[in-house]
Amino acid sequence: GAVVSQHPSWVICKSGTSVKIECRSLDFQATTMFWYRQFPKQSLMLMATSNEGSKATYEQGVEKDKFLINHASLTLSTLTVTSAHPEDSSFYICSALAPLLLAGAEQFFGPGTRLTVL
Amino acid sequence: GENVEQHPSTLSVQEGDSAVIKCTYSDSASNYFPWYKQELGKRPQLIIDIRSNVGEKKDQRIAVTLNKTAKHFSLHITETQPEDSAVYFCAVSEGQAGTALIFGKGTTLSVSS
Repeated sequence: GAVVSQHPSWVICKSGTSVKIECRSLDFQATTMFWYRQFPKQSLMLMATSNEGSKATYEQGVEKDKFLINHASLTLSTLTVTSAHPEDSSFYICSALAPLLLAGAEQFFGPGTRLTVL
Repeated sequence: GENVEQHPSTLSVQEGDSAVIKCTYSDSASNYFPWYKQELGKRPQLIIDIRSNVGEKKDQRIAVTLNKTAKHFSLHITETQPEDSAVYFCAVSEGQAGTALIFGKGTTLSVSS
């Protein structure tokens, strides 16, 4: 099956700093990737849709200037949490939309990044 | 936008019993309905999915049924085992239109031996 990686798997940072999270599709090209956020004991909430070569589409309530998304290549999307605060502490998960020829899952999820802001 | 409701939020069963989790959705254009199992701190794992042109799909102990008219779909797990204990999420998307998945709130399934 298709493999999606995320880096880092966890990060602890001080309030006010910026953190970059990478999402890579390792063995397929993904023109579309998605970013989700999951708070403890809650569901995955879609933050934004990332399309290669164009601006991301953000969901209502998600600040685009705070959560910067760059999808500069067909295998890499990055999410930068700018001026992070403790309320941004969460589990961030990306997914990549699989090409039609790949059998199985519609989307492939990365392993997630646990962000803790002190 | 799409609204996905999932019930129950928690479900406790004895090993060997069946478990059923139900989801409803609001957007009639939705045509892809996956179910995910998520263990603590891990990524969601696809366990079964169904598209709108099919009413039922089965994979060993797991089955999904879809009623497009009523806009609801269900996950059925038979002969439950302790390792089935996890959080299960239903999700909905417009499938090959390339839209994101909208998730239900999740069901915590506990299987006791």
